[in-house]
Amino acid sequence: DAGVTQSPTHLIKTRGQQVTLRCSPKSGHDTVSWYQQALGQGPQFIFQYYEEEERQRGNFPDRFSGHQFPNYSSELNVNALLLGDSALYLCASSPLGVSYEQYFGPGTRLTVT
Amino acid sequence: GESVGLHLPTLSVQEGDNSIINCAYSNSASDYFIWYKQESGKGPQFIIDIRSNMDKRQGQRVTVLLNKTVKHLSLQIAATQPGDSAVYFCAENILQAAGNKLTFGGGTRVLVKP
Repeated sequence: DAGVTQSPTHLIKTRGQQVTLRCSPKSGHDTVSWYQQALGQGPQFIFQYYEEEERQRGNFPDRFSGHQFPNYSSELNVNALLLGDSALYLCASSPLGVSYEQYFGPGTRLTVT
Repeated sequence: GESVGLHLPTLSVQEGDNSIINCAYSNSASDYFIWYKQESGKGPQFIIDIRSNMDKRQGQRVTVLLNKTVKHLSLQIAATQPGDSAVYFCAENILQAAGNKLTFGGGTRVLVKP
């Protein structure tokens, strides 16, 4: 049984560009949450998706947007990239009806130059 | 506001000894707490959780203690092994029907000495 998978593993972008990160939840999980983890810090909540809708959002600007597909997979989009967006982006999935039990993927390392 | 913090950024422990990682939280409304382990280059791995109506919960070689009076959480690892070397995060959550975000602290690095 595959756990949470994310793609790509690493990504390098230039300031001002746009990026899309992808996440496939663990089998049987219907809720996906996204976190940003700066180097040496704990993950910061970006938003959570359930039934293809954003149900909760952290303190991130509108440049950060997401989407959830009918198969529960999800995308994180970041527009107008800033140097400060360089971080590890983590996706976490949760079992049906238990969105506080979050299981994390390996993350996507985004570097903005 | 909501915040979770850790007292010690780095903990060095001898292999075979017990480790204790501490965490302070500030949101008295939090009712669910989780410990995660993160190894280099990997995502956080769930270790153990505890609800606010409990004081103690045990897993395999790990014990989590919750003291709501002083808003303190700790993770005890028995007979620490080299594979326990990692960064440990505590996280808190307020259980609700519409969305559950985890609030993480800054992490404690555990280094196991042979």
